[in-house]
Amino acid sequence: GIQVEQSPPDLILQEGANSTLRCNFSDSVNNLQWFHQNPWGQLINLFYIPSGTKQNGRLSATTVATERYSLLYISSSQTTDSGVYFCAALSSGSARQLTFGSGTQLTVLP
Amino acid sequence: DTEVTQTPKHLVMGMTNKKSLKCEQHMGHRAMYWYKQKAKKPPELMFVYSYEKLSINESVPSRFSPECPNSSLLNLHLHALQPEDSALYLCASSQEGSGANVLTFGAGSRLTVL
Repeated sequence: GIQVEQSPPDLILQEGANSTLRCNFSDSVNNLQWFHQNPWGQLINLFYIPSGTKQNGRLSATTVATERYSLLYISSSQTTDSGVYFCAALSSGSARQLTFGSGTQLTVLP
Repeated sequence: DTEVTQTPKHLVMGMTNKKSLKCEQHMGHRAMYWYKQKAKKPPELMFVYSYEKLSINESVPSRFSPECPNSSLLNLHLHALQPEDSALYLCASSQEGSGANVLTFGAGSRLTVL
């Protein structure tokens, strides 16, 4: 099945800093999603982005499907951005479900 | 507030107990999912229901028994669990169960097995 790798595994930032999280995947995809899991366990869907670029406030994401990677940008980070960011992908033509990466643990310090 | 509601938020049970986790959504989604998540790990798919029929069972032990009474409700019945089954159990829904859909997750039920 598809392999999904995220980097870095851990990231510590000062409030106000910008960051880039990366997701590499091993096959062509027809579904790629970014999630944020807060410290209480709630998983929030940030972007559905199998290709192209999307922006939502301070967050934006870009997927370059031909090169098999996706990037999540966080600008002007806030302490509430802390948590784990997961990328999940599904191979094109696969009958299976999303495969999650191992996540990036983000800590934003005040 | 999430549009997928899970109850209870926390559950402690003994290995001989029978309990159930419940999940409800009112978004008109036709696919519902159970995931299991251990600490510092990504969610692992357990079951998928599509149009109220079980479409995927990821070789989950029979001590976990899913049930989908209707398109809005999903239950996970628990019996004779082991301490290693302690985890966060997440319910999700999507418009359809084809895999190419956006998942909406509930807040999770944190289970501790003593």
